[in-house]
Amino acid sequence: EADIYQTPRYLVIGTGKKITLECSQTMGHDKMYWYQQDPGMELHLIHYSYGVNSTEKGDLSSESTVSRIRTEHFPLTLESARPSHTSQYLCASSNRGNEQFFGPGTRLTVL
Amino acid sequence: EDKVVQSPLSLVVHEGDTVTLNCSYEVTNFRSLLWYKQEKKAPTFLFMLTSSGIEKKSGRLSSILDKKELFSILNITATQTGDSAVYLCAVHDSGNTGKLIFGQGTTLQVKP
Repeated sequence: EADIYQTPRYLVIGTGKKITLECSQTMGHDKMYWYQQDPGMELHLIHYSYGVNSTEKGDLSSESTVSRIRTEHFPLTLESARPSHTSQYLCASSNRGNEQFFGPGTRLTVL
Repeated sequence: EDKVVQSPLSLVVHEGDTVTLNCSYEVTNFRSLLWYKQEKKAPTFLFMLTSSGIEKKSGRLSSILDKKELFSILNITATQTGDSAVYLCAVHDSGNTGKLIFGQGTTLQVKP
């Protein structure tokens, strides 16, 4: 079944650790996105990709980095996690249309 | 600066009530407006609107777009407790291909 997956769903980690949030989709979509959402706040785009080897920074500045080596994968990495990175991270994908399909999200807590 | 504003920010109603959620926008090159429902986790797609005056309907939910006045409404009739969620409005700006600009969301709580 075509879908979009994120792992882990929840992560609690100490300051200074390196973490990678995984996102994969089986819909063959070219475009993928990462959003950051704090509780009760709107989604902010932090990274996006139009295809393999294409990555761009979004509207909200982020210390994270992304890569797009394969169409289906769009991992997000934080080299040194800090408490200010505590948030929910949502991955999405879309094809030619405007409709974006969202993954279940990763709720990150940095102690 | 492109922006999307939703109102009200929160709403509490009782089962059976009808609610109207509002979304106004200012974007440079409007392409489409999307409504999402977000419960505890990921937003799920409800509607995409591109043309003025054409109502989209799905069960008890309906939505319409006014491109002249730059707003959209989402109606929910005969609300149920399962409608409790955050409803997000997003606008696709054709100058930023594929990127959506989200509003703050309206938190709807439906009481039994």
